[in-house]
Amino acid sequence: QKEVEQNSGPLSVPEGAIASLNCTYSDRGSQSFFWYRQYSGKSPELIMSIYSNGDKEDGRFTAQLNKASQYVSLLIRDSQPSDSATYLCAVQGAQKLVFGQGTRLTINP
Amino acid sequence: GAVVSQHPSWVICKSGTSVKIECRSLDFQATTMFWYRQFPKQSLMLMATSNEGSKATYEQGVEKDKFLINHASLTLSTLTVTSAHPEDSSFYICSAATGYYEQYFGPGTRLTVT
Repeated sequence: QKEVEQNSGPLSVPEGAIASLNCTYSDRGSQSFFWYRQYSGKSPELIMSIYSNGDKEDGRFTAQLNKASQYVSLLIRDSQPSDSATYLCAVQGAQKLVFGQGTRLTINP
Repeated sequence: GAVVSQHPSWVICKSGTSVKIECRSLDFQATTMFWYRQFPKQSLMLMATSNEGSKATYEQGVEKDKFLINHASLTLSTLTVTSAHPEDSSFYICSAATGYYEQYFGPGTRLTVT
């Protein structure tokens, strides 16, 4: 079992809809969780961090964490074509981040 | 805030030569810097973790004699790819953190070895 798992996609969502990205992790002791956005040919950009169970909202982005289910998600409301990218889930491991394979999201105009 | 720069952004070198990549945290002091490699359509692969003033910790399978890492100050880390070969061609990305938590990535360096 991979330490951090994401559906690789591609996930296709119409413009203006809600995009839902999911991530599960295996280390029950993990305390810190991050979502990065990576455009093709570019480096990852941190968009959300979450440390406590529940929801955390920042603009059109909402991160959700459920430690009991070992599940992290990212919701993008009012999706825009500029949101088309690969989204990487990262979980804090022993002195390093463990990344999932990423989910490729395409927003269709 | 939390800006990380890398230099050069791209480099082409001949097989057998060495290439140095610099990573700088511009507006914060980074106690820890990380070096990643990413091949096309693949996820990030952590190569090594470096703390200021101490030796880098390399991930399993990464040759420490080939990928030399120096973290001379709280704002600068360098990665030197020694005796580069075509299979070393990749996208090298550094990140910087004030601890082991939120990491901020540099823009990356695209290395092509001919």
